[in-house]
Amino acid sequence: DARVTQTPRHKVTEMGQEVTMRCQPILGHNTVFWYRQTMMQGLELLAYFRNRAPLDDSGMPKDRFSAEMPDATLATLKIQPSEPRDSAVYFCASGLPRGGSSSYEQYFGPGTRLTVT
Amino acid sequence: EDKVVQSPLSLVVHEGDTVTLNCSYEVTNFRSLLWYKQEKKAPTFLFMLTSSGIEKKSGRLSSILDKKELFSILNITATQTGDSAVYLCAVPFYNTDKLIFGTGTRLQVFP
Repeated sequence: DARVTQTPRHKVTEMGQEVTMRCQPILGHNTVFWYRQTMMQGLELLAYFRNRAPLDDSGMPKDRFSAEMPDATLATLKIQPSEPRDSAVYFCASGLPRGGSSSYEQYFGPGTRLTVT
Repeated sequence: EDKVVQSPLSLVVHEGDTVTLNCSYEVTNFRSLLWYKQEKKAPTFLFMLTSSGIEKKSGRLSSILDKKELFSILNITATQTGDSAVYLCAVPFYNTDKLIFGTGTRLQVFP
């Protein structure tokens, strides 16, 4: 049963600390997304990668957030320094465009619930 | 500005009822519309619609797209308590893979 995995599932940290979230996409999926979900803003895209190359990170606060794909099986999202307003659930999703189609489903991981105090 | 609007925001029904959830959209270069179900954790994929008038069906859930009127509906028949969730609608933004999500419809099914 292929699925996206994320670690940690929960993270509580103090303001100013570095936070790293990890994601393992579904094997064979070449497109990986990072989303953030809050009650106020809903689900919003932070960044995404195709074949490990960043395609769009316009949704990410660049001064403190960074996203990378060290290899095809690992994506990371880092916040440094963290702030209380970063408290949210962070989802990773992966997908595989097929046959040149630009429409394809994205499969979500279980999320990392981040609380910054 | 591209946007996705879902209605109603919230719905409370009894088991056995049939519900219809609505999603309207305004996007440049429409390609597809996706429905997700979100319980307490991650959104799970339900349907992807690309063509008008072709119903997608999975058990008690079905969905259809109207590209002329720019909306989609998600129907759930004979609702069960396990259908309680937030249902999200999303469309890709312009020529990117970025999904724009609606705010969701919160469905509560009581026994």
